[in-house]
Amino acid sequence: QKEVEQNSGPLSVPEGAIASLNCTYSDRGSQSFFWYRQYSGKSPELIMFIYSNGDKEDGRFTAQLNKASQYVSLLIRDSQPSDSATYLCALSNAGGTSYGKLTFGQGTILTVHP
Amino acid sequence: DTAVSQTPKYLVTQMGNDKSIKCEQNLGHDTMYWYKQDSKKFLKIMFSYNNKELIINETVPNRFSPKSPDKAHLNLHINSLELGDSAVYFCASSQAGGIYNEQFFGPGTRLTVL
Repeated sequence: QKEVEQNSGPLSVPEGAIASLNCTYSDRGSQSFFWYRQYSGKSPELIMFIYSNGDKEDGRFTAQLNKASQYVSLLIRDSQPSDSATYLCALSNAGGTSYGKLTFGQGTILTVHP
Repeated sequence: DTAVSQTPKYLVTQMGNDKSIKCEQNLGHDTMYWYKQDSKKFLKIMFSYNNKELIINETVPNRFSPKSPDKAHLNLHINSLELGDSAVYFCASSQAGGIYNEQFFGPGTRLTVL
């Protein structure tokens, strides 16, 4: 089982819709979770982080974390064509040799069509 | 001002050559990282330095040698380049190396080994 799993997509949604991106992970020791957006040919850009169970909202973005189910998601409301990118889920583990290490999923390609 | 910068942006070289990539951050961060993104866009950590000290060294061939002259700089030297080294190499930095480490990425260096 991969440490961080994402549906590679592509996920296609119409403009104005809600895009839902999902991520599951295998290591119960994971304590912090990050969503990065990567446009083609560009570097990953941090858009959200979440450490506690529940929802965290920032503008059109909502991150949801459920540690019991080992599941983290990102909702994008009122999706825009400019949101079309690859979304990378990442997690950070506590202690040991994993200290400070981000483990990434393979990314979900999102396409928002007008 | 560029927060995390890398040089060169593109690097094309022959198998067997030795090359270096340089990274600098002006965010005042203590921790810097090297990541490799392969052709399938999978992003994987290689090394991490905290205040010039190596703290993460993943399973990377010893042809790869990082060096941090000070906490604002992290370089990557690669000896005897192989075809499989072709990838995009990203430098990143964060305030601290712990689990709550929001990492910020440089623009990447696309390495092509012929």
